[in-house]
Amino acid sequence: SAVISQKPSRDICQRGTSLTIQCQVDSQVTMMFWYRQQPGQSLTLIATANQGSEATYESGFVIDKFPISRPNLTFSTLTVSNMSPEDSSIYLCSVGRAAMNTEAFFGQGTRLTVV
Amino acid sequence: QKEVEQNSGPLSVPEGAIASLNCTYSDRGSQSFFWYRQYSGKSPELIMSIYSNGDKEDGRFTAQLNKASQYVSLLIRDSQPSDSATYLCAVIGAGNTPLVFGKGTRLSVIA
Repeated sequence: SAVISQKPSRDICQRGTSLTIQCQVDSQVTMMFWYRQQPGQSLTLIATANQGSEATYESGFVIDKFPISRPNLTFSTLTVSNMSPEDSSIYLCSVGRAAMNTEAFFGQGTRLTVV
Repeated sequence: QKEVEQNSGPLSVPEGAIASLNCTYSDRGSQSFFWYRQYSGKSPELIMSIYSNGDKEDGRFTAQLNKASQYVSLLIRDSQPSDSATYLCAVIGAGNTPLVFGKGTRLSVIA
């Protein structure tokens, strides 16, 4: 499986600010995803990062709050905008293989605390 | 709304015993099924995938799938304290939909 590097690994941010999380993969991958895992909860898909076009967001997530970039097949960023304490969570980048119908592999995650 | 249900646990088993983890899913058209292990403070790690009815074995792990009952299970034989983690069931539904995760079952293996 691909090696997925995510940074920062953790951050403490002031409310109202924004944080950009980077995800770098050591090989070209077709599918890249961003998940959120709130404390004690399972993983919720935020969006699919599409190379060369706008990300596909899941219900409850919007581009203004979680803008995503995917300039090439090995890199993506997720920005958490205008943060509030409710955004405190672990954010995870994941990659799949050629199609949607495959398993996902995860980066080490970014633990975000908003104060 | 596609759902994946798991008992949150904790499930406690003695070292050396068989741990049985269960998962049900709502989308009858689901195609692919996965088990992830997540240690506290770490990201999920894929441990098993299963695509057809029956059993699939990999070392101490056996995944079982029954599509008619919409049921997936994971058996861990000879459980070790290092197996203590949260186990997440994940399902890909019909139509190439993204993975849907259950809330996970916390397993504790007691030495």
